Amino acid sequence: GAVVSQHPSRVICKSGTSVKIECRSLDFQATTMFWYRQFPKQSLMLMATSNEGSKATYEQGVEKDKFLINHASLTLSTLTVTSAHPEDSSFYICSARDAGSGVGETQYFGPGTRLLVL
Amino acid sequence: AQSVTQLDSQVPVFEEAPVELRCNYSSSVSVYLFWYVQYPNQGLQLLLKYLSGSTLVKGINGFEAEFNKSQTSFHLRKPSVHISDTAEYFCAVSEQGGGNKLTFGTGTQLKVEL
Repeated sequence: GAVVSQHPSRVICKSGTSVKIECRSLDFQATTMFWYRQFPKQSLMLMATSNEGSKATYEQGVEKDKFLINHASLTLSTLTVTSAHPEDSSFYICSARDAGSGVGETQYFGPGTRLLVL
Repeated sequence: AQSVTQLDSQVPVFEEAPVELRCNYSSSVSVYLFWYVQYPNQGLQLLLKYLSGSTLVKGINGFEAEFNKSQTSFHLRKPSVHISDTAEYFCAVSEQGGGNKLTFGTGTQLKVEL
């Protein structure tokens, strides 16, 4: 149980275009999802917390107009990188907290999306 | 705010040898503690977690960790490693009642050699 999927697994796009990344909890409901960014050989940096039915909470230094987050249902959150530039190239990972199973504070992570902006 | 320190960026070890990956944390409130493993180009998989109770926590793949409150540590151990344990290991903390936000350490690359 507790599987989180991400789509696409990798994407290459041209500078100036927008890219949408989906994060789904497959077998549980997630009222809260998190979006992280990971640079090569570095740790995960939390970008934002996504709450179902409300606005996302962004971490300091993360541009909310550039990284649009929508959490429209209890199993789906999307991250849209708008007007992508080469410096946005990174590994984006989402995680979800299981709201209903009493598993404490555990987050379950998706497999990640590799974004390359040319 | 909390922080996590993983003192070793890389740990080479021979197969079947024991290993310890160190993790220290700093927080002004009580915390939950986690170890995650990341294989190349993949997301993170939960190895084990400490929420409360017994300070010795056993996880998957034969790993265990011990919470030491006085030393603010949560070191990860395995008595005998396998080639397949080669991966990046991340220690993470979240503050109790802090909305589940995880703070990660910088990671330790475990490289198991024959």
